[in-house]
Amino acid sequence: KAGVTQTPRYLIKTRGQQVTLSCSPISGHRSVSWYQQTPGQGLQFLFEYFSETQRNKGNFPGRFSGRQFSNSRSEMNVSTLELGDSALYLCASSLNRDRYNEQFFGPGTRLTVL
Amino acid sequence: GDSVTQMEGPVTLSEEAFLTINCTYTATGYPSLFWYVQYPGEGLQLLLKATKADDKGSNKGFEATYRKETTSFHLEKGSVQVSDSAVYFCALRPMYSGGGADGLTFGKGTHLIIQP
Repeated sequence: KAGVTQTPRYLIKTRGQQVTLSCSPISGHRSVSWYQQTPGQGLQFLFEYFSETQRNKGNFPGRFSGRQFSNSRSEMNVSTLELGDSALYLCASSLNRDRYNEQFFGPGTRLTVL
Repeated sequence: GDSVTQMEGPVTLSEEAFLTINCTYTATGYPSLFWYVQYPGEGLQLLLKATKADDKGSNKGFEATYRKETTSFHLEKGSVQVSDSAVYFCALRPMYSGGGADGLTFGKGTHLIIQP
């Protein structure tokens, strides 16, 4: 079974631009979560999608948004990029929203904002 | 809010040494607890988990016991190998969804270096 895939793997943008990252979950998984990883703040939860609806959201500004499609694939969007948005963005999928279930992580998208 | 505290390291050990990475947490209710490992250039992989008090998670020689009384989930391995070199993250997921964020809450990560 294929794992979680994220595209693109690397991205370079300039301040003020917007960016869209994509995540394809493991087949059959319906929950997709997004995390931001930086050296200073570590791993932080962005949001979770299930059945095309955002179920939970972390403490991030409204510039960070996402969506989920009927096939469970998910995208996240960051508008008006800031230097501090440079990070590794990780997507994780799980079978459902049961908190006992493992979240399977993708390799991440490395975003650099210049 | 919920939080996880773990030693950040780097922790440097010789091959075949005994490993302990401490993890303590603050959370309401009874969270599920996890250890994830991240190898260079890769995403996170689940190493082990425990979902209730006194549960012991184990995998690939690593073990951790959910201690409710001390709010701890320390990671141990009896004999480490060079291939265990990686960053290890302790994480929790709350049991109650109060409408706020209930994604995984991670510690800062512990960089483990095993020397031959």
